[in-house]
Amino acid sequence: QVTLRESGPALVKPTQTLTLTCSFSGFSLNTRGMCLNWIRQPPGKALEWLARIDWDDDKYYSTSLRTRLTISKDTSRNQVVLTMTNMDPVDTATYYCARMAYDSSGYYPTYFDYWGQGILVTVSS
Amino acid sequence: QSALTQPASVSGSPGQSITISCTGTTSDIGGYNYVSWYQQHPGKVPKLMVYDVSNRPSGVSNRFSGSRSGNTASLTISGLQAEDEADYYCSSYTSTNTLVFGGGTKVTVL
Repeated sequence: QVTLRESGPALVKPTQTLTLTCSFSGFSLNTRGMCLNWIRQPPGKALEWLARIDWDDDKYYSTSLRTRLTISKDTSRNQVVLTMTNMDPVDTATYYCARMAYDSSGYYPTYFDYWGQGILVTVSS
Repeated sequence: QSALTQPASVSGSPGQSITISCTGTTSDIGGYNYVSWYQQHPGKVPKLMVYDVSNRPSGVSNRFSGSRSGNTASLTISGLQAEDEADYYCSSYTSTNTLVFGGGTKVTVL
């Protein structure tokens, strides 16, 4: 049974750094072809993909947020951490982690099959 | 990477069929077979409805179907039901090895 759970602060101040943790079970990020993503959704707005980390520790970031994001994994603890620097009120959103698997060729990540429940992060002074 | 383009809203009466479009470029939808669709009810987590353009996960009703023509993917809901009222998002793999979502479409059952 695959489960994911996001944890972190519900409230951060402008200019602070946000650190979110995704704790997961039911699969391993050591498994070839497995990867984990962070996605966010501002209240009443669309989903936005943020970052992905692959089983081989390759990392990919949203072009528009690349300079502010860092993704890392701790496979021994089954956790993935996302940090976002210089938080602003426009970053107020529900942040999700979601699992994804590469296709059978091993070249292309495919679809988000399992999602965490999300964590609402509000940026306010 | 620009967001994929979806209509803001689509509506239909119970029993009708509706189609939601998702337009991208040759760098995403038109270049790869990795388009997926998600349903999101208010306050809920997105749910995978279609993957790899036209495949349905186990447990998803066959009233949901996906297709693609050129740079535009589509999700068709046939036999529209009240429970289908939700937001729908498309997503695609891109040439920069990233992912991108559409702006979302609100489906209303009249």
